[in-house]
Amino acid sequence: EAGVVQSPRYKIIEKKQPVAFWCNPISGHNTLYWYLQNLGQGPELLIRYENEEAVDDSQLPKDRFSAERLKGVDSTLKIQPAELGDSAVYLCATSEGRAGEQFFGPGTRLTVL
Amino acid sequence: SQKIEQNSEALNIQEGKTATLTCNYTNYSPAYLQWYRQDPGRGPVFLLLIRENEKEKRKERLKVTFDTTLKQSLFHITASQPADSATYLCGLGSGNTGKLIFGQGTTLQVKP
Repeated sequence: EAGVVQSPRYKIIEKKQPVAFWCNPISGHNTLYWYLQNLGQGPELLIRYENEEAVDDSQLPKDRFSAERLKGVDSTLKIQPAELGDSAVYLCATSEGRAGEQFFGPGTRLTVL
Repeated sequence: SQKIEQNSEALNIQEGKTATLTCNYTNYSPAYLQWYRQDPGRGPVFLLLIRENEKEKRKERLKVTFDTTLKQSLFHITASQPADSATYLCGLGSGNTGKLIFGQGTTLQVKP
């Protein structure tokens, strides 16, 4: 069974440019999470979806970040415009229900120059 | 504010010994706690979940304890192997929202 797929794996952009990350969840997983992970730190939740509804986006910097999960399957996280401080690994995770095991993708490493 | 602390220093142990990692928290009452393993360049991988009404959970060479009075979880790897070398993350969850708050992780190095 395929795991959580994320693309691209790496992205280098100049500041003020837009960038988008894509996540394809494990089939049947209704809950989807986007996390940000800085070097030497644990993942920090940005947004959580249950099906196509964003049920927790309190940590998402909405002035520059946006996310969508059309049809409750794939999800896209966008940053526009990117800032130097956005350099980090962006992880997508999915789970069958709310409070169980989360399955993480490999992440997208973003470098903003 | 909520705070989660894991061993700040990397843990270096000899192969065959038991590794013990700690996860302490303040200003939080988690309903459950999860432990994940993360290798460089990869996403975290789930290892164990323990609920607030459980004191101990085991899986093969892994054991997790959860003390809600001390506000602490201990993660043990017995008969450690070099392949156990990785960063280990604890994540605290409340209610049934699925939201996890992670500690900063502890890096374990098992030397042959």
